[in-house]
Amino acid sequence: DAGVTQSPTHLIKTRGQQVTLRCSPKSGHDTVSWYQQALGQGPQFIFQYYEEEERQRGNFPDRFSGHQFPNYSSELNVNALLLGDSALYLCASSFSYGYTFGSGTRLTVV
Amino acid sequence: QKEVEQNSGPLSVPEGAIASLNCTYSDRGSQSFFWYRQYSGKSPELIMSIYSNGDKEDGRFTAQLNKASQYVSLLIRDSQPSDSATYLCAVNILYSGGGADGLTFGKGTHLIIQP
Repeated sequence: DAGVTQSPTHLIKTRGQQVTLRCSPKSGHDTVSWYQQALGQGPQFIFQYYEEEERQRGNFPDRFSGHQFPNYSSELNVNALLLGDSALYLCASSFSYGYTFGSGTRLTVV
Repeated sequence: QKEVEQNSGPLSVPEGAIASLNCTYSDRGSQSFFWYRQYSGKSPELIMSIYSNGDKEDGRFTAQLNKASQYVSLLIRDSQPSDSATYLCAVNILYSGGGADGLTFGKGTHLIIQP
């Protein structure tokens, strides 16, 4: 049973560029949440998608946007990248209220 | 603004001893409480969840919840070097129609088990 898969695993981008991260949820899971984890910090909630709509959003600017597809997979888009966007981006999927995390995408902005 | 507080450590515990990790949360409406273990460079791994006051045991791990004091703890018995990691406390609220809101995490406690 495949767990949560994220791609790519690592990414290097230049300030001002745009990036798209992808997530495939665990089989049977219909809800996808995204988190940003800076070095030495706990994960910070970005937003959650359910039934192809953003159900809840954390305290992140509009540069962060997302999408959920009919097969429940999801994308996280970040526009106008800043150095401070460098972090581990985690996707978590759930059905009901148990969360499973993917292995993450390490984004470095230079 | 929901907040979860943890002592960042490091917490150093001898092998075979009991490691005690603590967490407090600010939102009295929180209903679900989780402990995740995170090894350096890896993603969080769920080790315990607890939803009602009292203790919940799973192998060497015991989670304790006190909603009146807004306090959650994790005990690790017979600590092993492989338990050395960062332990993240997280809370959230359940939706009445099913599902739950996003997790609010603490910054984590770095645990070191000394052989």
